[in-house]
Amino acid sequence: EAGVVQSPRYKIIEKKQPVAFWCNPISGHNTLYWYRQNLGQGPELLIRYENEEAVDDSQLPKDRFSAERLKGVDSTLKIQPAELGDSAVYLCASSPSPGTVHGHTGELFFGEGSRLTVL
Amino acid sequence: AQSVAQPEDQVNVAEGNPLTVKCTYSVSGNPYLFWYVQYPNRGLQFLLKYITGDNLVKGSYGFEAEFNKSQTSFHLKKPSALVSDSALYFCAVRDMKRYNNNDMRFGAGTRLTVKP
Repeated sequence: EAGVVQSPRYKIIEKKQPVAFWCNPISGHNTLYWYRQNLGQGPELLIRYENEEAVDDSQLPKDRFSAERLKGVDSTLKIQPAELGDSAVYLCASSPSPGTVHGHTGELFFGEGSRLTVL
Repeated sequence: AQSVAQPEDQVNVAEGNPLTVKCTYSVSGNPYLFWYVQYPNRGLQFLLKYITGDNLVKGSYGFEAEFNKSQTSFHLKKPSALVSDSALYFCAVRDMKRYNNNDMRFGAGTRLTVKP
């Protein structure tokens, strides 16, 4: 079974430029998460989707960040314009929706991450 | 809201010795608790979880963790450390009472270094 796929793995841009990250979750996983991980820190949730609906975007900086999951499968996270403080690893994770998969008890499955460096 | 604390930024241990990585949690209801490991330039890999039942849970690569409700702790352990265990370890919690509508909260991480 294929895992969560993210691209690009690495991205270097100058400040004020736009950037986009793509995520393909595990097949059948209805819940998709975007986390940001700053250097030396734990992941922090940016947005959570149930199918195509963003059910928790309270931590997403909406002035410059946007996300979409149009068909309830792949998702894109965009930053425009990027700032120096946006340098981080952006992690995508997926899981089955609660109660949809027998025996699943809450663990998330992560992609390899997209490392953003803003110069 | 739920939260996790990992009191040690770094843990150093000699190969072959037992290791412990500490974690304490705070939730309003009963917790789902998890440990993940992260190797350099990689995503987080699931190690083990506590949902209910036996307080000692076993996971991947010989790791185990002990749930202690009175101390609100979920320490990660391994009887004999390997150099290849050197990585960043994250404890995480979900509130089972609000499982259908809450996210997973992570600690800041503990860097484990196992020396030959």
